[in-house]
Amino acid sequence: DVKVTQSSRYLVKRTGEKVFLECVQDMDHENMFWYRQDPGLGLRLIYFSYDVKMKEKGDIPEGYSVSREKKERFSLILESASTNQTSMYLCASSFGQSYNEQFFGPGTRLTVL
Amino acid sequence: AQTVTQSQPEMSVQEAETVTLSCTYDTSESDYYLFWYKQPPSRQMILVIRQEAYKQQNATENRFSVNFQKAAKSFSLKISDSQLGDAAMYFCAYRTQGGSEKLVFGKGTKLTVNP
Repeated sequence: DVKVTQSSRYLVKRTGEKVFLECVQDMDHENMFWYRQDPGLGLRLIYFSYDVKMKEKGDIPEGYSVSREKKERFSLILESASTNQTSMYLCASSFGQSYNEQFFGPGTRLTVL
Repeated sequence: AQTVTQSQPEMSVQEAETVTLSCTYDTSESDYYLFWYKQPPSRQMILVIRQEAYKQQNATENRFSVNFQKAAKSFSLKISDSQLGDAAMYFCAYRTQGGSEKLVFGKGTKLTVNP
C-alpha cells in the first residue's frame, strides 16, 4: 500500500517561530504537494514539486517555502509563523501522469498562538 | 483559471437510501480529469472515483457512480445503498491533462448518514 506520512498530527507553535512540516512517501512518486484545508474553503494548494529540487508555487504560497532534497521527502516551512496560518496541512503525492490519483497523508493540525 | 463549485455544503441521507452530490466546474479545456475524494472524520482523504473527460461512459465503482455531463460541465456523485461508513466530507476535484499536475478542489460537501 502507498503510504504518505507526516511528521506530526498536532503541532502548537508561537507567533514568529520557524515551523517545519515534514512529509515522506514510500512509493517513488515524482510529484508531491502541500495543501492547506480550512472549513468552508476546501483544499488550497500551497506548493508542489515534480522532481527533486524542483518546486512550483500553488495558489497561496505567501508566507511559506518548501524544500525537496530527496525524492521521498517534501518539507513545508513557515519562516515566521502567524496566527492566520493556523490550519490543517495536508501532504499528497502522485505519479507523473494526470490521470493518477493523489495519495494523501493524515494531515497536521497546526495551531499558532 | 479553472474553478470547481460544490453547491451543497451539507447533505444527509438515510441508511440504505441513495444520495447525489453535485459538482460543477468551469474550464475552457477539452481534455481533463475529474475526481471525487472522500475524507472521513479524522481519517485520510482517499479517492472514490475518477473520470476522464474524453470518455462518454460514466465511471462506476461499486455503490459509487458519476453523472458526467461534459457540455453542462457537471460531475455529480451518486451513492447507492448508503452506509454509515459513507459519512464524510466529499470533495470534487479537477485536473488539466498534461502540464501542471495540480488539482483544483471544490469546497466540499459534508455527508451525514442517518441510521
